[in-house]
Amino acid sequence: DAGVIQSPRHEVTEMGQEVTLRCKPISGHDYLFWYRQTMMRGLELLIYFNNNVPIDDSGMPEDRFSAKMPNASFSTLKIQPSEPRDSAVYFCASSLNAREGGGYTFGSGTRLTVV
Amino acid sequence: RKEVEQDPGPFNVPEGATVAFNCTYSNSASQSFFWYRQDCRKEPKLLMSVYSSGNEDGRFTAQLNRASQYISLLIRDSKLSDSATYLCVVNPGGTYKYIFGTGTRLKVLA
Repeated sequence: DAGVIQSPRHEVTEMGQEVTLRCKPISGHDYLFWYRQTMMRGLELLIYFNNNVPIDDSGMPEDRFSAKMPNASFSTLKIQPSEPRDSAVYFCASSLNAREGGGYTFGSGTRLTVV
Repeated sequence: RKEVEQDPGPFNVPEGATVAFNCTYSNSASQSFFWYRQDCRKEPKLLMSVYSSGNEDGRFTAQLNRASQYISLLIRDSKLSDSATYLCVVNPGGTYKYIFGTGTRLKVLA
C-alpha cells in the first residue's frame, strides 16, 4: 500500500499565478479531505468528498480556491490567483468509513510558498 | 471559544519521565476522539483512538472525560523518539468533519 500520494512536495510560485495540488488517495477509501496547516491556525479543513462527491466546502477560504475529484483515485486543489497569504502546507487525507472513526491517513503534504 | 483547545507547550521533559497532555473540546455532542502525532515537517499520523472507558497502548494511555469535556494523553517512560507535536482530534458529531487542535509540542531531553 503506497499510502496517500501528494504532488508536488514543494511549490514556489509568484503571486497571481495558478497553483494546482494533486492527491491520490488510498485505494478503497471513500472519503477524501483537503486540509491546510499554518503555524497560526493549525490544521484547517478546506473541503471533503465522499465517493467523489463534494460534501462540505465551507472551509474553502474564498472563490480563488476550488477542488475536484473526477474519480476515486484522483483529486486536485486549485488556487487561482494565488496570494502570499495562501502560503502553507496543504495536506490531503483519505479515510475508510469516516463515520466509524477510522481515522485519517495523510499524505506527505505540499509546502506552498507564494512570493 | 475554540472548538478544540490544547496547551501549545513546549513540554520539556527528561528521558524516562511521565508526561500528560490535556485537550478540551466545546461541543458536548462530540462522538469520536483521537490523538495524532506529527513530527517536524511531516504529516500527522494516528497515534491512538480515545474510548469512553479509556485505553492503553504500550506506554501511552488515553482517557476521555465527557463531564468536563476533555481528553488526555499520558506518556510513561518518555523516549527521545517521543519528541513531536501531539494533536488532539475531535469529531463534533453529525458530520464527518474532524476538528484538529493546534497541537502540544513535546521535547524529551537526554
